[in-house]
Amino acid sequence: DVKVTQSSRYLVKRTGEKVFLECVQDMDHENMFWYRQDPGLGLRLIYFSYDVKMKEKGDIPEGYSVSREKKERFSLILESASTNQTSMYLCASSSSGSRTDTQYFGPGTRLTVL
Amino acid sequence: LAKTTQPISMDSYEGQEVNITCSHNNIATNDYITWYQQFPSQGPRFIIQGYKTKVTNEVASLFIPADRKSSTLSLPRVSLSDTAVYYCLVGFHGSSNTGKLIFGQGTTLQVKP
Repeated sequence: DVKVTQSSRYLVKRTGEKVFLECVQDMDHENMFWYRQDPGLGLRLIYFSYDVKMKEKGDIPEGYSVSREKKERFSLILESASTNQTSMYLCASSSSGSRTDTQYFGPGTRLTVL
Repeated sequence: LAKTTQPISMDSYEGQEVNITCSHNNIATNDYITWYQQFPSQGPRFIIQGYKTKVTNEVASLFIPADRKSSTLSLPRVSLSDTAVYYCLVGFHGSSNTGKLIFGQGTTLQVKP
């Protein structure tokens, strides 16, 4: 079974803090994703990585950066957290392919920025 | 850029068939349609995927008309444990291509006894 783990289930940070959200997958997947989930807005793609050190912006990358130094790990970084980044953050992974391959999601990190 | 639209919520009773429709008027040639299910405090999980016509697996069916501008997820004989949020995803991705992964807003299905 594919397992995607996220470093924290709940996180509380203060405005201006630098925040790291970590995601690890154990299935040797090439693709990894970061989404945020907000009521009424569904899931919105923040960043996508298709290989180590490779990344592409999703729909809402502003205020975020990512890091993929190892294939199994994909980090989301909030350089200076703001209250409007309070949200549920979901990480996912999938194998490469020429179509939309099944994404496997982690349990999510609920981030509150005060 | 494909935009997906789903009903916000639906109610059903145990044993009934439930159909949830997703509209995606601007779907592109390369786009696939995928449905995910999400329970509280969990990440979404894959249910079914299709490109055209009909796809069936052990938990659901997916109907896609010829113009592909909409799709319908069909859950046969739902039970209380099918109470969840269902997301429609339209998109395509491959190496070095985020594609246009557009999730719908999600449909909250409430199954009543």
